[in-house]
Amino acid sequence: ETGVTQSPTHLIKTRGQQVTLRCSSQSGHNTVSWYQQALGQGPQFIFQYYREEENGRGNFPPRFSGLQFPNYSSELNVNALELDDSALYLCASSLALDPAKNIQYFGAGTRLSVL
Amino acid sequence: AQTVTQSQPEMSVQEAETVTLSCTYDTSENNYYLFWYKQPPSRQMILVIRQEAYKQQNATENRFSVNFQKAAKSFSLKISDSQLGDTAMYFCARGGSNYKLTFGKGTLLTVNP
Repeated sequence: ETGVTQSPTHLIKTRGQQVTLRCSSQSGHNTVSWYQQALGQGPQFIFQYYREEENGRGNFPPRFSGLQFPNYSSELNVNALELDDSALYLCASSLALDPAKNIQYFGAGTRLSVL
Repeated sequence: AQTVTQSQPEMSVQEAETVTLSCTYDTSENNYYLFWYKQPPSRQMILVIRQEAYKQQNATENRFSVNFQKAAKSFSLKISDSQLGDTAMYFCARGGSNYKLTFGKGTLLTVNP
């Protein structure tokens, strides 16, 4: 158990809709990263939040956005869903931005299906 | 793009035997970190082992050890005394100064009884 929880576990949406995925970080962790894992692929970095500010972004369009709250829970929002957005979405929390300490602890993910 | 390559999509091993999973990576940084994560059917990524690039000594965690060849940019994972519970997808990942992890495509390891 990593202490990172994600909700919901599964979600089905239709193309063009909007979705919000939620993550509760491990207690005390001030950094959260979100990853997209397509079927048969490794996770791809979407973005990272540190103390409620975006701190780095991967190659994803602006319709992917996020929020981090003072209690270190976070959200991933995706607007105008496309079929290719179907994937497992993972969040990972960590204690600090120092790479020496930045071991990321993952949740079990939200499986999003876009029809 | 700085990539992580796992050349073995699938591997199998008999229980109690040893298996080695391969990983190569690309980076322009001097200080970086390498990880092996395990993803069982439950989907939760679990950290198996971590290596700091500036340390020459290979990391070990119980039955898991790595062979880190910095000049060759190679980072293989050896699992000794394989157990049925080791069956999972294994991902090699690199982390650096930008704090994101770059993952390989994974190796599906099956441990047979």
